[in-house]
Parts: sequence; C-alpha cells; structure tokens
Amino acid sequence: QKEVEQDPGPLSVPEGAIVSLNCTYSNSAFQYFMWYRQYSRKGPELLMYTYSSGNKEDGRFTAQVDKSSKYISLFIRDSQPSDSATYLCAMSAPNTGNQFYFGTGTSLTVIP
Amino acid sequence: AAGVIQSPRHLIKEKRETATLKCYPIPRHDTVYWYQQGPGQDPQFLISFYEKMQSDKGSIPDRFSAQQFSDYHSELNMSSLELGDSALYFCASSLVGTATTDTQYFGPGTRLTVL
Repeated sequence: QKEVEQDPGPLSVPEGAIVSLNCTYSNSAFQYFMWYRQYSRKGPELLMYTYSSGNKEDGRFTAQVDKSSKYISLFIRDSQPSDSATYLCAMSAPNTGNQFYFGTGTSLTVIP
Repeated sequence: AAGVIQSPRHLIKEKRETATLKCYPIPRHDTVYWYQQGPGQDPQFLISFYEKMQSDKGSIPDRFSAQQFSDYHSELNMSSLELGDSALYFCASSLVGTATTDTQYFGPGTRLTVL
C-alpha cells in the first residue's frame, strides 16, 4: 500500500464549477502538506503549502488538512480551462529527511 | 524570480550508455532532491543532498550516483542505461530549516529516452 492515496481521475467539469481534489495517507507523522499542479511535460508547480491541520486560502484555491482523518483536500472555485492539469498532493514528515511522498495525481479537465 | 534550472531538457541515449543530468537550485537554497517520473506515474524520490552531503536515499538504483558541488548544483550520473530508465527526471530545491520556506520547488525536468 502506498503511503499516499489519490484518485487518479480523470475528472472533467464545466467552466465555473467547484472542483474537489482529495488525498488520504497512512503515516500519522506527516506534518507538511503540499499541492502541486503539473501541466503536460512540465515540472510540478507548487500551489499550496500547509503545515499541520487547518485551512489555507489563496485566491480561488483552498487547501484543507484533517489530520484526525488523515485526509487532505484542495478546492478550486470558479474553475477555468487554464486549470486543466494534473494535481499532485505531496507530504513529508520531520523524521524523513524532507523526503516527499506523492499521490499519483488527479487529471483535471475544465471544459469551456 | 529565479527557478530551478535543469539541463539538458531532452536526452536520448542507447542502452548501456552513460548519462549525466545537471541541476542548478534556486539561489540560496541548500538542499537538492532528485525524482524520477515514469509515464502516468507520480514522482519517485531518488536521492537528496543537504549542504553537499547526501541526506536521504530513496529508490535510486546502484547504477546511478549523484553529488552536490560547492556551488550547490547537483549532478545525477546514470550508467549502464536500461530501457526502463526512460522517464522524466526532476530536480527540486529547498531551503531547509525555515518553516515557511521548507518546501520543494521543482525544475522543468529532463526527459531521458533510452533506445
């Protein structure tokens, strides 16, 4: 079993919809939670970074961490065609030398 | 703002050849990470360096080696290449020890094709 589980999709939504992306994990030591966006043939681009539990909002993006359920989410409001990409969650723990554990990525398409 | 630079962007090699991938971290970042991403796969951690010393090791084959130099750039050396080594190789850098910046920023990747 992978340390981080993520539904690979694909996910297809109409423009303007609210998108919910989720990851679950098994290692309770994870403290740092990241969401990356990756366009085809490009490197992952950091979107959101959250430490421990709680919510963080940045423009149309909101990241939530629920450590009691070992569950993290990324919400995208008013989705745009330019949001079409693969979204990867990643997490790390203080005792793992900053090694990142990635989900498999969710492929999102926003239809105009 | 300066980002992580990787070279070359594309590389084609024959089986059993050797390849060297280079990574230039964001200025003042002290840690470099290497990842391998196969088609449709998530990035798999290979190895990391902090202050020029190996800090963590993941699923890096024995045929691969890496190092970080005094200017903090890093090189991933891959020998006896196999077809299965064809993948995107990402380098990421971070500034360890600062809570708000202790995260990894990725380069554009090097696409290695082994024929």
